Amino acid sequence: DAGVIQSPRHEVTEMGQEVTLRCKPISGHDYLFWYRQTMMRGLELLIYFNNNVPIDDSGMPEDRFSAKMPNASFSTLKIQPSEPRDSAVYFCASAQGVFLIKAVEDRDTEAFFGQGTRLTVV
Amino acid sequence: AQSVTQLGSHVSVSEGALVLLRCNYSSSVPPYLFWYVQYPNQGLQLLLKYTSAATLVKGINGFEAEFKKSETSFHLTKPSAHMSDAAEYFCAVSSYNQGGKLIFGQGTELSVKP
Repeated sequence: DAGVIQSPRHEVTEMGQEVTLRCKPISGHDYLFWYRQTMMRGLELLIYFNNNVPIDDSGMPEDRFSAKMPNASFSTLKIQPSEPRDSAVYFCASAQGVFLIKAVEDRDTEAFFGQGTRLTVV
Repeated sequence: AQSVTQLGSHVSVSEGALVLLRCNYSSSVPPYLFWYVQYPNQGLQLLLKYTSAATLVKGINGFEAEFKKSETSFHLTKPSAHMSDAAEYFCAVSSYNQGGKLIFGQGTELSVKP
């Protein structure tokens, strides 16, 4: 498997424009996570999905941010309108749903990360 | 609620010296603990993880970490630093009831001097 694939790797856009970040998780993984990394706030979880359904979006900063997962192999994070303070590296990660099974300690509990999208809003 | 504190945002060691990166966690349920490494302009790569089995965990690239419940710590060590170890290291916590959600520390940047 090629791992988690994110596109684009770099995005520069003007304030007010719509930005769409894309993610293809590892095949067979049923959890997908969107993280944002900034110098000030470190790595923050924005939202995560289980079986394409959003489970926790409490980390989404405001209504300008939205995320969708129309099928098991694709997710988008959209910012509309974008602002300079949205400049960050956005990571997508995927995992198999074994975290919920406490007793299964030898199962894989790793989240695999994509290379990230570096967003600059000017 | 869960949280992670990494002591020291920057650590500098000489090549061949011991590497020690500190991580303390807070969790109301038994934690799963992780160390990830991030090289410049790259994503995060898992170094090692603790999921309630052996308390001393060995990972890739010669790193290991020990889970100490009494100290709520999960410090990362490597006996002898290599230049290629220079990167940013993140400690993270999760648990069986978090659905894979990881809470990350602020990260520690490791520099290795020749």
